[in-house]
Amino acid sequence: DGGITQSPKYLFRKEGQNVTLSCEQNLNHDAMYWYRQDPGQGLRLIYYSQIVNDFQKGDIAEGYSVSREKKESFPLTVTSAQKNPTAFYLCASSISVAGGEQYFGPGTRLTVT
Amino acid sequence: SQQGEEDPQALSIQEGENATMNCSYKTSINNLQWYRQNSGRGLVHLILIRSNEREKHSGRLRVTLDTSKKSSSLLITASRAADTASYFCATDAGGAGGTSYGKLTFGQGTILTVHP
Repeated sequence: DGGITQSPKYLFRKEGQNVTLSCEQNLNHDAMYWYRQDPGQGLRLIYYSQIVNDFQKGDIAEGYSVSREKKESFPLTVTSAQKNPTAFYLCASSISVAGGEQYFGPGTRLTVT
Repeated sequence: SQQGEEDPQALSIQEGENATMNCSYKTSINNLQWYRQNSGRGLVHLILIRSNEREKHSGRLRVTLDTSKKSSSLLITASRAADTASYFCATDAGGAGGTSYGKLTFGQGTILTVHP
């Protein structure tokens, strides 16, 4: 059953702690993306990766970091430098960055108190 | 910055009626995509329309694109209660030489409620 998985679905952390969100895909897609969604808002791009061992900053990369050591995996770390980390985080992938539809995971809701 | 702006922000209709959502954007695009999101879930791709296309159909969905007005519309015909969701437009502005980098810019969405 092909798709994108994100874990966990809900995540709670204390302020000042780093936290890593998991994103795995078995679609053999080259490109992967991380978005942030705030209540009543659209999605904003945090980071994207076109290929293994390469990634680019999106529109709101400050306070976040990523890695792309394997084609299937694109974990996102929310660092303590992120001023307002509580949000819904969505991972997506596409066949390539030549455009086209993106396939989304179910999302992780992060709450930092 | 938000490239797409959607109108209306919320739409409430009865089952069987048609629903029309509009999206406006600011810069040139390679393509425009529509996505659907059920509450608390990930997004599902509905349809992609390229900058050289004017209209596209998929089942009960009809999308139009007017690049001169920088606007698009999504029409859902004969709506069902199961169509209740948020609908987002997303623009792909592409990179140099017309090559898309796949970076999508999303609008704020239209919340559609279909009453049975």
